[in-house]
Amino acid sequence: KNEVEQSPQNLTAQEGEFITINCSYSVGISALHWLQQHPGGGIVSLFMLSSGKKKHGRLIATINIQEKHSSLHITASHPRDSAVYICAVTFNYGGSQGNLIFGKGTKLSVKP
Amino acid sequence: DAGVIQSPRHEVTEMGQEVTLRCKPISGHDYLFWYRQTMMRGLELLIYFNNNVPIDDSGMPEDRFSAKMPNASFSTLKIQPSEPRDSAVYFCASSSAFRGRYTFGSGTRLTVV
Repeated sequence: KNEVEQSPQNLTAQEGEFITINCSYSVGISALHWLQQHPGGGIVSLFMLSSGKKKHGRLIATINIQEKHSSLHITASHPRDSAVYICAVTFNYGGSQGNLIFGKGTKLSVKP
Repeated sequence: DAGVIQSPRHEVTEMGQEVTLRCKPISGHDYLFWYRQTMMRGLELLIYFNNNVPIDDSGMPEDRFSAKMPNASFSTLKIQPSEPRDSAVYFCASSSAFRGRYTFGSGTRLTVV
């Protein structure tokens, strides 16, 4: 079964802290996505990665294809970063290509 | 672009009634996905289309669920008859290719009482 595992499940941080959320997957993928969902809100695509590293503002996403692992980092965290962060992948085989397979999400709460 | 547009935002209906959810994808996107989100199961694919053709409907729970995409700018997800266990947030998303980024609609929160 294709699986996407995220850790931690819940994360509480103080404003200004450096935050890391991890994602691992079981088989080869064509792309990995990091998504953000605010409480009661819609889902926003933050990054799509197939290799290396991407940066957007205070957010950094990295992926290690050999280790089947990705991390999402938030520098200088702020209460407005509080949200659920979801890792999702599209697999090369064994399922529906093009469909997103989701992790269970990491609920981040940043305290002022 | 206005993004992916879903309607209605909220729907409350009685068990046994027919429910129709609507989605307008981003112009030029050739993939459209219907996902369901619940507390217990998280986000799950129901069905997706490529160039208006259903590609994978293995996530459709049962025959009560049906989806159509009559043209490139419109899709519907229908539940008939609805049941309380169908209560969830239903998201529509579109993408330009397998490896393109996905754009999600705001979702429809369905409550079946």
